[in-house]
Amino acid sequence: NAGVMQNPRHLVRRRGQEARLRCSPMKGHSHVYWYRQLPEEGLKFMVYLQKENIIDESGMPKERFSAEFPKEGPSILRIQQVVRGDSAAYFCASLPSGQLLSGANVLTFGAGSRLTVL
Amino acid sequence: QKEVEQDPGPLSVPEGAIVSLNCTYSNSAFQYFMWYRQYSRKGPELLMYTYSSGNKEDGRFTAQVDKSSKYISLFIRDSQPSDSATYLCAPKGSSGTYKYIFGTGTRLKVLA
Repeated sequence: NAGVMQNPRHLVRRRGQEARLRCSPMKGHSHVYWYRQLPEEGLKFMVYLQKENIIDESGMPKERFSAEFPKEGPSILRIQQVVRGDSAAYFCASLPSGQLLSGANVLTFGAGSRLTVL
Repeated sequence: QKEVEQDPGPLSVPEGAIVSLNCTYSNSAFQYFMWYRQYSRKGPELLMYTYSSGNKEDGRFTAQVDKSSKYISLFIRDSQPSDSATYLCAPKGSSGTYKYIFGTGTRLKVLA
C-alpha cells in the first residue's frame, strides 16, 4: 500500500510562471490537507479538501493560489504567477474516510514538493 | 500570541543523553496532543500522541501533557544519532474537528 504520493518532488519556476503540485492520497483516504513549510518555520495550514469539496481554505492566500480534489485523480495545488516568496516545501497529508470522527486523527504526510522560484 | 509555541533549537546533545522537548499552547479546547518527527528532506511522521493530561510511554519516548499549564513535553531516553530530526508538536481539538496546528518544530542533533 503506497503512502501519500506527491509530485514533482522538486520544481523550479521563474517568476510569473505557474506551479502545479499533485498529491495522491493513500488508498481509501478521501480527506486531503495541504501545508506549506518555510525554512526554520513550522507547517502552516493552507487548505483542507474532501472529494470535490473545499472544506476550509482559510490558510491559503486569496490570490494566485487554488486547490482542488476531483472525483477522479490527484489533488492539485496550483500557484499562478509565482513570486520568490512562494519558494517553500509544500506537504500534502491525508486521512481515511470516516476517521474524522475519531479524536486522534492521524495525518499521513507525503514527502513534499519543494518549489524554488528564480 | 501564537496558538502553539515551540523553541526552534537547534538542540545538540551527546549520544545517550535524556532529551526534553517542549511546547506551550493557548487554546484550552485542545484535547489531543501529537508529536511528529521530521527527518531532513522528508515529510513528518507521527511519533506518538496523548489524550488530555497525563503521560504516555512508548519505548524510549515519553509524552507528557499538563493541561492546567498548557504545556506539552516529549522526553527521549538514551538518545541515539538516529533520533536527530525536527520534532513538531501538534495539538488538536475534540472529535469532529479537523484542523491541526503545528509548532515550529525543534531541531535535535544527537552527537555520536
